[in-house]
Amino acid sequence: AQKVTQAQTEISVVEKEDVTLDCVYETRDTTYYLFWYKQPPSGELVFLIRRNSFDEQNEISGRYSWNFQKSTSSFNFTITASQVVDSAVYFCALSEDNYGQNFVFGPGTRLSVLP
Amino acid sequence: GAGVSQSPRYKVAKRGQDVALRCDPISGHVSLFWYQQALGQGPEFLTYFQNEAQLDKSGLPSDRFFAERPEGSVSTLKIQRTQQEDSAVYLCASSQGGRLEGYGYTFGSGTRLTVV
Repeated sequence: AQKVTQAQTEISVVEKEDVTLDCVYETRDTTYYLFWYKQPPSGELVFLIRRNSFDEQNEISGRYSWNFQKSTSSFNFTITASQVVDSAVYFCALSEDNYGQNFVFGPGTRLSVLP
Repeated sequence: GAGVSQSPRYKVAKRGQDVALRCDPISGHVSLFWYQQALGQGPEFLTYFQNEAQLDKSGLPSDRFFAERPEGSVSTLKIQRTQQEDSAVYLCASSQGGRLEGYGYTFGSGTRLTVV
């Protein structure tokens, strides 16, 4: 069965610092999909990125970047020059199929960005 | 609507009471999912609908939990004889097709259920 581990329960940084959120996953499938979601205090889950297992290219979107390494089963998320608005709980998630029925979330990392 | 809408936003129930949580998915979205998120944890899958068909209910924790989507749009999650361990945020999500689109799911803001 698939599993997602986010070892960092809480992280605090000062504004403008860079921060990396770790995600390690387990799956027996060769085809799978990885996601990051942001959950601000308002509660909704905001989609950040989807990556399929065949695409190991790193991705950058503004201040956000993702490092996918199949060799270590990791999909880490870095925020550059963090801002107070980045404060939220961040979830890494894994789906083993394209139908999204087996969608497993990690326990989340609470990021606090202090002014 | 523009997003997934859930109501009520907050619900306090006395132990033993029945509750009904509503989800209005994005118009035209085929797939609908319910998740349960306990305090300080990630969401956990409860059930999945494709149109009106409930294709997977393996995550429902007991037979006190029941979900329906009779017309393939609005869905209701019903919990009978609520217990304290049912206290959680219940999240609904929808996606356009039976397949994951590039955006994954669109989630609602959830219903926070507190059983006292």
